[in-house]
Amino acid sequence: DTGVSQDPRHKITKRGQNVTFRCDPISEHNRLYWYRQTLGQGPEFLTYFQNEAQLEKSRLLSDRFSAERPKGSFSTLEIQRTEQGDSAMYLCASSLAVSEAFFGQGTRLTVV
Amino acid sequence: TQLLEQSPQFLSIQEGENLTVYCNSSSVFSSLQWYRQEPGEGPVLLVTVVTGGEVKKLKRLTFQFGDARKDSSLHITAAQPGDTGLYLCAGDAINQAGTALIFGKGTTLSVSS
Repeated sequence: DTGVSQDPRHKITKRGQNVTFRCDPISEHNRLYWYRQTLGQGPEFLTYFQNEAQLEKSRLLSDRFSAERPKGSFSTLEIQRTEQGDSAMYLCASSLAVSEAFFGQGTRLTVV
Repeated sequence: TQLLEQSPQFLSIQEGENLTVYCNSSSVFSSLQWYRQEPGEGPVLLVTVVTGGEVKKLKRLTFQFGDARKDSSLHITAAQPGDTGLYLCAGDAINQAGTALIFGKGTTLSVSS
């Protein structure tokens, strides 16, 4: 399967713990996006990379969130000191420059 | 500021009915995409419209891009229960700060048999 893959699919963590998610984009795609989605709502933009450069961050992305794409391939999204409000689906997508984005299946985070 | 407004937010219809979902903005988009998402899965791309006034058909789905490239619509003919899902429009806005792909809040469609 050469689509976008995300790991893990599900994560349950205690409040205050740190979590890290991984996204492997489609190999030739230079753009990589992170979104957060709550039930029944559209994806909310968090940040995106073009190759290894992080070009834009949403105001939704507090200091507790950090994303990296060190070699312009896979990306990680880390949430420090998780809060219950962080519970959501975290989606990763990739695309070739300005074109259609292809999504992974997401990581469902539950903070208890 | 929500750049893409979708309406209606919820739609519940009977099998065989027709429906239209709208995606509107005050911004001009270089292209707009429509996605469909099922619970627990990521959005799946249905179509991209690029040219103002463009109409694309995908079986019973008809997509239209407004002449000014600020709005789009999705029309489904003879809806089936398998059409149930969250329909999302998305686009890269021209002349906005940054060019990240942004989404509307979606239309949740339920088709009952």
